[in-house]
Amino acid sequence: EPEVTQTPSHQVTQMGQEVILRCVPISNHLYFYWYRQILGQKVEFLVSFYNNEISEKSEIFDDQFSVERPDGSNFTLKIRSTKLEDSAMYFCAIRPGTFSRETQYFGPGTRLLVL
Amino acid sequence: ELKVEQNPLFLSMQEGKNYTIYCNYSTTSDRLYWYRQDPGKSLESLFVLLSNGAVKQEGRLMASLDTKARLSTLHITAAVHDLSATYFCAVELNYGGSQGNLIFGKGTKLSVKP
Repeated sequence: EPEVTQTPSHQVTQMGQEVILRCVPISNHLYFYWYRQILGQKVEFLVSFYNNEISEKSEIFDDQFSVERPDGSNFTLKIRSTKLEDSAMYFCAIRPGTFSRETQYFGPGTRLLVL
Repeated sequence: ELKVEQNPLFLSMQEGKNYTIYCNYSTTSDRLYWYRQDPGKSLESLFVLLSNGAVKQEGRLMASLDTKARLSTLHITAAVHDLSATYFCAVELNYGGSQGNLIFGKGTKLSVKP
């Protein structure tokens, strides 16, 4: 099973501050995804990233969010000006295959708390 | 908009009993996934169902997919306490141009009691 690590594991921030969440897949992958899970609720798709650009994004992924692969390995999610409702668990996921025949493997998550 | 509905949302079982979790979805898709989540943890992939009639089994869990009925089931046989967790089904959006984003159900919180 492909390994995905995420940093930090926990982050507490003040409302209005910027946060950057990082995802580090152990090996090269083509497909990257960010999802979030508000406490006790379902997992929600945020954005997919393929071939170094955004391929699809949800309504949640507004102008406050951005993603990039700054150095070809790390995959980051930036929230420019956090709101209270951004408090959630954020999961990075990767799909290892060239074709969509494999599952998505999820990282351990970053728990974000906005105060 | 694709909707994914799971039921039940909460399930309390006795050890040794059998039960089925249902996952209905609202639009055409031939790819469905089941994940397990322990409290405070990430999502662990259990099954990938890629075609109509697909059936997969691992230990006490068996998953199936009926794409015509837009229904997947996760059957638990002779439940044990270790199966206590939240189980999510997720349907893949695979329309032209989509890169396989997953739409999740609300999850079924399973508690297995001795």
